[in-house]
Parts: sequence; C-alpha cells; structure tokens
Amino acid sequence: DQQVKQNSPSLSVQEGRISILNCDYTNSMFDYFLWYKKYPAEGPTFLISISSIKDKNEDGRFTVFLNKSAKHLSLHIVPSQPGDSAVYFCAAIISGAGSYQLTFGKGTKLSVIP
Amino acid sequence: DTAVSQTPKYLVTQMGNDKSIKCEQNLGHDTMYWYKQDSKKFLKIMFSYNNKELIINETVPNRFSPKSPDKAHLNLHINSLELGDSAVYFCASSLVQGNQETQYFGPGTRLLVL
Repeated sequence: DQQVKQNSPSLSVQEGRISILNCDYTNSMFDYFLWYKKYPAEGPTFLISISSIKDKNEDGRFTVFLNKSAKHLSLHIVPSQPGDSAVYFCAAIISGAGSYQLTFGKGTKLSVIP
Repeated sequence: DTAVSQTPKYLVTQMGNDKSIKCEQNLGHDTMYWYKQDSKKFLKIMFSYNNKELIINETVPNRFSPKSPDKAHLNLHINSLELGDSAVYFCASSLVQGNQETQYFGPGTRLLVL
C-alpha cells in the first residue's frame, strides 16, 4: 500500500518553461514533506521542504505547494533548465515523540529539453 | 514481510562509545545506502555499497565505517561517538530498472548520544 504516490513516472518540459511535479499522499499523519533530486547511482539531494502547517514554500526557482484537504503537493520549477533533468522524489515524514517514519514516492523522471 | 529492516530502532549511548547499527534487505537489491537525517530533517547520504564495493563515500568522519558482509546487509559502525552524532540514520536499498532507480528505506534508527 503506497502512502506516497507520484503517478507520473516521467515528464518532459522545454527549457525555460515551468515544470510541475505532483505527489499525492494518503496518510493524514504526515506532517512534513520534502522534495529530493536524484541522479543515477547517487543519493538524493535535498531540494525543498514544507511543513503541514503551510501551503507554500519558495526557494529560488523551486516552489512547493501543499493542499492538505486534497492530500496533494506539487513542486514547481521555473524556469526549467537542462541541468534540472533528474529523478525527483517526494517524501513525507511522520514525526512524533520517539519515532520517525520517512516514506518516499517512487519518483518522477524530469527531462528538460534544450 | 519487512523489505528493509534496521536494528536497533532506538539507541541511547554515552560519548566515546562504539556502536553498530544493522541493516538488512530481503529484496535482492544490489545497492544499499546509509543516510543521516539532521535536525532540519534533511537526508544526507553517507555511504553506498554496490555488490559489496563502496561506490560513494561522502566526506563523513572516519569514525563512521560501513561494513557489508554480504549483498543483503550493510551495517554502520561508529567509533568514539560524539554528541553531534545524535540523529536518525536511515538505511536504504536500491532497485535500478532502466534509468529509473527506486530506493526503499528502512524505518530509521534514532541515535541519541549523551
């Protein structure tokens, strides 16, 4: 049972345009969400995060939006650059006294076409 | 059936001690990773092993050493523990299919150094 879902395995975007990566979750206990970028054979690189008490967080070209009622978050990259081509993982955390649970989606491969 | 398991789940110890965290995966994957999650909940890769060979070794202190007795296990040994080592440590195993890599994470080990 996948609690964090990235339903699009791949996405192609023209350079300079906006990339929108989506993520859905089912567990209402998640209270922190993160996006990671990953190249093949390397570990994920942290990009941006958002707490469940917010609906938007922006960092440079990256913006994450959270819609708690829909249990949906998205990562916007604008403008997209060829160096953004990688696999992007959405992750969710349940934090609490004495325990952590970190759940990753399966990733979306973004290809930015020059 | 747990795909990626870590033991112990919680570890409380004194400064200067040596401790090990074990990780086992029953997925038949070739690559395994160790991550450290810092106080801001960022995941930072520490080590990865592919078929018992170290392929990524980030600039972590040499007090940390990965040990892989076989493909299904990647244990993390820490010498002379320091206060700053307190964190949650995640083990992961990886499946590569074409250009898509999916990482499966263990539940984490919460280490507290006193």
